[in-house]
Order: sequence, then C-alpha cells, then structure tokens
Amino acid sequence: AQSVTQPDIHITVSEGASLELRCNYSYGATPYLFWYVQSPGQGLQLLLKYFSGDTLVQGIKGFEAEFKRSQSSFNLRKPSVHWSDAAEYFCAVRFYSGGYQKVTFGTGTKLQVIP
Amino acid sequence: DVKVTQSSRYLVKRTGEKVFLECVQDMDHENMFWYRQDPGLGLRLIYFSYDVKMKEKGDIPEGYSVSREKKERFSLILESASTNQTSMYLCASQTGNQPQHFGDGTRLSIL
Repeated sequence: AQSVTQPDIHITVSEGASLELRCNYSYGATPYLFWYVQSPGQGLQLLLKYFSGDTLVQGIKGFEAEFKRSQSSFNLRKPSVHWSDAAEYFCAVRFYSGGYQKVTFGTGTKLQVIP
Repeated sequence: DVKVTQSSRYLVKRTGEKVFLECVQDMDHENMFWYRQDPGLGLRLIYFSYDVKMKEKGDIPEGYSVSREKKERFSLILESASTNQTSMYLCASQTGNQPQHFGDGTRLSIL
C-alpha cells in the first residue's frame, strides 16, 4: 500500500542555519511527489512538486527537494532558514487507486525556528 | 490564482446536530476533496468527487456524507455530530495532473 513517512515529528533550527526535512515514500510506480507548508490556522500551501525529469526541484520561498529513487526519498532543504519558515511541513505522494487519483500525506514535521 | 473558500473558519456545534461544511472553488476544477486533520495523524481523506453528482468514499467516510450538486461546490455533511468528529476539516480542489489546492480549513468543535 502507498505510504509516506516523515520520521521527524518536530525539528528546531536556529535562524540562518540550514534545514533538511526527511520524507520516505512507498509506491510501486513512478511517484508524483509534493511538499506542502501549513502556517498555524491556515490551509496547506504547495511548496514544490516532482513529476519527472530533473530530480532536484526548486520551489517557492527558497526551498528545494531532491528525489532519490534508490532511497525512495524526497527530502526538503533550505540553505538558510528564516523565522517566518516556522510552520508544519507535509510530504505527499499521488497515486492511482481504483482508476482515481488519490494523495497520501505524511503526518507532518513541525519546524521551530529560534533566534 | 486558484481560490478555495470554506464557508466557516470556526464552528461550534452540539452532539447529535446535523452539520454542513461548505466549500467553493473558482477555477472550474473537476476534482474536489474533503480531509480531516488531527495532530499526529496528518490529513486523512473522507470523501472525494470527480464530477457533479459523483462521490467516492475515502479512507474514513463513516459518519459523513457529501453533496456535489454544482461543479464549484462540495459540501461535507455530518449526519449526527459526535465529539470524536471535533477536528480541522480541509477542502481541496484539483484538475488534471496539477497539485491539489486547499482552503484555509474549518476548525469544528462538537460539544
């Protein structure tokens, strides 16, 4: 069955430090992968997506993610974190089931940024 | 830009009430989704719809129903609200191979 694992429930980084959020997926076919961000009390905003092609994808707000098929991973990175990046981050995989597209989300990683 | 609007940001209801959560999108997307979000569980799919008057059960449909009478509107119905349905509810719309676009969510409390 399709699944997404975000092993880190909570991460704390200092402002200006680099960031990497981990995501592993389980899906037999070529995955469509996404990272979303959710600020407190808000809905989810798309940061970036991977469909095919270049395995390093650039997103909004200075984020990037790298697809590694051999490791079934799609980790999110940012070279220098800003206080406004404090939020919850969700990795997701899209797949086909019963002829329909569906999306499975990870359980999220909450990012705290300290001065 | 895609706009997904959920009618209420916060809602307080009592157990046993019939509750309606409304979602409207303005981009003529054919696909719409309802999720609930709980701490530590991520987003779980309740129902989805790929066309008007069409609906499919997601992973946790029990206690819920949906209605899609018009393409732009997708309603989630709690037939008889219970306290374990207290949660954040998120609506999303999507078309083709594009990502899902989300509303701001409705935080529902059942007392």
